[in-house]
Amino acid sequence: DQQVKQNSPSLSVQEGRISILNCDYTNSMFDYFLWYKKYPAEGPTFLISISSIKDKNEDGRFTVFLNKSAKHLSLHIVPSQPGDSAVYFCAATSIYNQGGKLIFGQGTELSVKP
Amino acid sequence: DTGVSQDPRHKITKRGQNVTFRCDPISEHNRLYWYRQTLGQGPEFLTYFQNEAQLEKSRLLSDRFSAERPKGSFSTLEIQRTEQGDSAMYLCASSLDMRRETQYFGPGTRLLVL
Repeated sequence: DQQVKQNSPSLSVQEGRISILNCDYTNSMFDYFLWYKKYPAEGPTFLISISSIKDKNEDGRFTVFLNKSAKHLSLHIVPSQPGDSAVYFCAATSIYNQGGKLIFGQGTELSVKP
Repeated sequence: DTGVSQDPRHKITKRGQNVTFRCDPISEHNRLYWYRQTLGQGPEFLTYFQNEAQLEKSRLLSDRFSAERPKGSFSTLEIQRTEQGDSAMYLCASSLDMRRETQYFGPGTRLLVL
């Protein structure tokens, strides 16, 4: 079963506009969420995270929003830049999982056009 | 560069051969994770170590897979009698010994089994 889902395989936006990437999860035990960015032939690079006790976390151009009741999180990138073009993965983990293993979504490929 | 490193970056092998991958985590990180990523999917958890102890193994890790982390430093992942279905990107990540601590990924080893 897919506990973390990214339903949009791809997204195309214009440079300077906002990119919104979405992620849904089913396991209510998840309490920590992360976004990673991945370029081809490289490992995922950590972008931003959020704990379940918050509903928003900001870091520069990146903001993550968490809606626990809807089991939904989103990543906003403002303004989008061509260098942001990559595959974005959301991931979740649970405090009850002592190991902290991450459960990933399938990814969304973002293309930012000049 | 003090990030996570993996070796080799690419491996092509024939079905039935054994392969071994190495991961060197960030030096002060006690936790080390292995994930596998296939095309169009997010990374999937395989196993993790707390120092030298292997604490959890996924059902994805068949008997042909074995991982070690001698002395709690680098780790190796061995696949015996490789099958074409083993073709994937094998990712290593490390984190500090704290809950919700961010996992940092290496560049991955891409395995192709012919």
